[in-house]
Amino acid sequence: GAGVSQSPSNKVTEKGKDVELRCDPISGHTALYWYRQSLGQGLEFLIYFQGNSAPDKSGLPSDRFSAERTGGSVSTLTIQRTQQEDSAVYLCASSIPTSGSYIQYFGAGTRLSVL
Amino acid sequence: SQELEQSPQSLIVQEGKNLTINCTSSKTLYGLYWYKQKYGEGLIFLMMLQKGGEEKSHEKITAKLDEKKQQSSLHITASQPSHAGIYLCGATPRQAGTALIFGKGTTLSVSS
Repeated sequence: GAGVSQSPSNKVTEKGKDVELRCDPISGHTALYWYRQSLGQGLEFLIYFQGNSAPDKSGLPSDRFSAERTGGSVSTLTIQRTQQEDSAVYLCASSIPTSGSYIQYFGAGTRLSVL
Repeated sequence: SQELEQSPQSLIVQEGKNLTINCTSSKTLYGLYWYKQKYGEGLIFLMMLQKGGEEKSHEKITAKLDEKKQQSSLHITASQPSHAGIYLCGATPRQAGTALIFGKGTTLSVSS
């Protein structure tokens, strides 16, 4: 596609439920990143994929969070047993090396509200 | 750990005025990225700086990276209402291609 696509754009869930957030990167982009943006915390890195492997998962806040990427394209971020503190905007970005730089292009995000 | 400090946190300027936003790191950066975000939208890439002393311009926005590659400034000339939004600086503290760390952002309002 022309840009990074994320779905759903908004998600309201009850505490304790599992949620899946989807990211469709720009076609041909090998790197994919998940970030979380919450009030007072700014933008936090969650996980980074190069192809289908995740060399850096250091930002995942707990074992309730997991992500996978298949076919070097679409990625899914799963949050199990959601808690109220998981409420945030989840942003996905993708990039490809161009002349030694890795400009990250972001999707519009998924706004998650845990009630 | 690596942190980026942005200043000011928020800014209100009159249309037509110039303004500068700063981004400072405690460590040398491999790359410095400026993004703009409007409420409910993702981050829009503005500019990337890699070399010490580098300066880039796009329309009325100029970004600079100091020689030590630890401080960057974003300057907007003759601000317009369309410039309003949140400006974020992001940086790669390690090799290129890894995740970015971000400053907390500067909220810009432009009054007409």
